[in-house]
Amino acid sequence: DAKTTQPNSMESNEEEPVHLPCNHSTISGTDYIHWYRQLPSQGPEYVIHGLTSNVNNRMASLAIAEDRKSSTLILHRATLRDAAVYYCILSMAAGNKLTFGGGTRVLVKP
Amino acid sequence: SQTIHQWPATLVQPVGSPLSLECTVEGTSNPNLYWYRQAAGRGLQLLFYSVGIGQISSEVPQNLSASRPQDRQFILSSKKLLLSDSGFYLCAWSPGQASYEQYFGPGTRLTVT
Repeated sequence: DAKTTQPNSMESNEEEPVHLPCNHSTISGTDYIHWYRQLPSQGPEYVIHGLTSNVNNRMASLAIAEDRKSSTLILHRATLRDAAVYYCILSMAAGNKLTFGGGTRVLVKP
Repeated sequence: SQTIHQWPATLVQPVGSPLSLECTVEGTSNPNLYWYRQAAGRGLQLLFYSVGIGQISSEVPQNLSASRPQDRQFILSSKKLLLSDSGFYLCAWSPGQASYEQYFGPGTRLTVT
């Protein structure tokens, strides 16, 4: 699986947007970009995924660079409940094996 | 709706003792099933995955084994625990077809003493 690079941590103020970057310069044409988040002492939770086009859902938006070598997860209005470790993962659509890296720890300040 | 159960929630076991962790999924059929481990302060490591009864793929050679005796049951075992087996064990499932989402259970926190 291709590797992703994320900052170790980020801070945000409550009700402000959070932009989480992810670099994946060795991404292949068949790799989907997945985002999961893990709250303390819980299992990971699916956030969003995409292939080439930007994606929106009730939790977040995913902006994918035109060359697909990077992407950004956008939390539009951070809440205290969004404090978690966010993982950017590449995976082919079939097989669905996920390789988790270190992720980005997001701290939301009231 | 689908739910995933894991038990026990916490476990403290001495070195050299056996281990059995169970995971069951409700509300779906023929799911893909996964076992992950998360060591303290680390990311998740995929240990095993299964696409059907009796079909187990191992991702990392280690002291552990997995079995799938029924369609929605996934068991993680060890004959003799090591200190390095301590961690947070998570079971996950995804629909049998190619799916973009995995759904994780609440996890079992194992401490080997």
